[in-house]
Parts: sequence; C-alpha cells; structure tokens
Amino acid sequence: GQNIDQPTEMTATEGAIVQINCTYQTSGFNGLFWYQQHAGEAPTFLSYNVLDGLEEKGRFSSFLSRSKGYSYLLLKELQMKDSASYLCAVMNSNYQLIWGAGTKLIIKP
Amino acid sequence: SQTIHQWPATLVQPVGSPLSLECTVEGTSNPNLYWYRQAAGRGLQLLFYSVGIGQISSEVPQNLSASRPQDRQFILSSKKLLLSDSGFYLCAWSYQGADTGELFFGEGSRLTVL
Repeated sequence: GQNIDQPTEMTATEGAIVQINCTYQTSGFNGLFWYQQHAGEAPTFLSYNVLDGLEEKGRFSSFLSRSKGYSYLLLKELQMKDSASYLCAVMNSNYQLIWGAGTKLIIKP
Repeated sequence: SQTIHQWPATLVQPVGSPLSLECTVEGTSNPNLYWYRQAAGRGLQLLFYSVGIGQISSEVPQNLSASRPQDRQFILSSKKLLLSDSGFYLCAWSYQGADTGELFFGEGSRLTVL
C-alpha cells in the first residue's frame, strides 16, 4: 500500500527552530508538497520538492531525499502564528496526491 | 487573480436528508477541480476530481456524487446523508497540465450529520 508517516503532534517554543519529518512509501514519485493548515481553515501551499536537496523560502525550508523516502520541513524563528497543522503529501506515478494525517505544531511562549 | 469559494461554511443536517455543497472558481479557465473530505486525525481523502465539464472521476464508492455543470462550478451532493458523512469538506482547483500540481483550496464546509 501507499502511506505517508509524520508525527501527530509537536511542541516548540517561540523563537526556536523545529523540524517536522515525513517518510513516504508510494508507487512512484512525482514530487512532495508541504501545506499549512490553521484550525478550521483550508490548507495553504508552503513548498514543493521534486529533486533531492534543500529548498529555502524565508523562515521555512523543505528537504527531500528520494532514495530514503524522506522529507522534512524546517521552521526557524518560530512565531505564535506558526501554530497550525502541517500536511505532507506525495504525488505518485499516477499523479495522485497521497496525504499524511498532518502534524499539529503547538508553539509556546 | 484566481479565487475559489465554497458554501455553505457550516451546516447541520439530519440523517437521511439531502446535501448540496457548491464550489466556484474565478480568474482561470478549464481548471482541474477536486472534492476532498478531512476527518479528524486522518489525511485528506480525495472524493471526486474533474478535468472538464461533465467529466467526473470517483475515488471512493459511497453515497455521495459530484457534478460539474459549468467549467468553474463543482457541486457535491447526496440524496440521503449518513452519520459517517460528517466531516470537513474541501473543494480545490489546480492548473491543467501544471508541473507542480499545486492545489488551491476553498474555505471548507463543515458538515455535521445528526
């Protein structure tokens, strides 16, 4: 089967750095996405990785290793507004998006 | 700029009643359209997707149906709701033939079936 694994919940302190991991097993690979979803709201796009390496976008970075079936989202200089769920999704060889259950990130002052 | 809007935002329906959720996209033509359901603690579940008017693909057999009467309109329906239909429903669109397949989501509709 196909599955995406990410931690259910993480807690971090305002101003700190947090890394959210995602491992995947899918039938083929055509890219990995990270979305942010605040409670009760729709997901919004954060990043897309299709080649190995690190993609940096402001305070957020996303890393991909296709050989290991692994990605992480790195959030720096955490702010209270970063409290949200972070969804990892992989596009397989049929261009279907397989979604993880999301990681709820709690930021404490 | 492109926008997506879905409604209603919240609804409470009795078991056995009908359902209609509507989604419209503005500012783009011939988008791919999607209906997802999100249950607590689970990943987004793709219910239906459409690549054009009248073209609907169903991913999960259930008592829901979808229709695309116009290029930028996508409707999710049910004739008789079940308790298990409760959840957060999300409409989304993407560009046809896009390399990244990025999805743009509507605001979501929270359905409670009692």
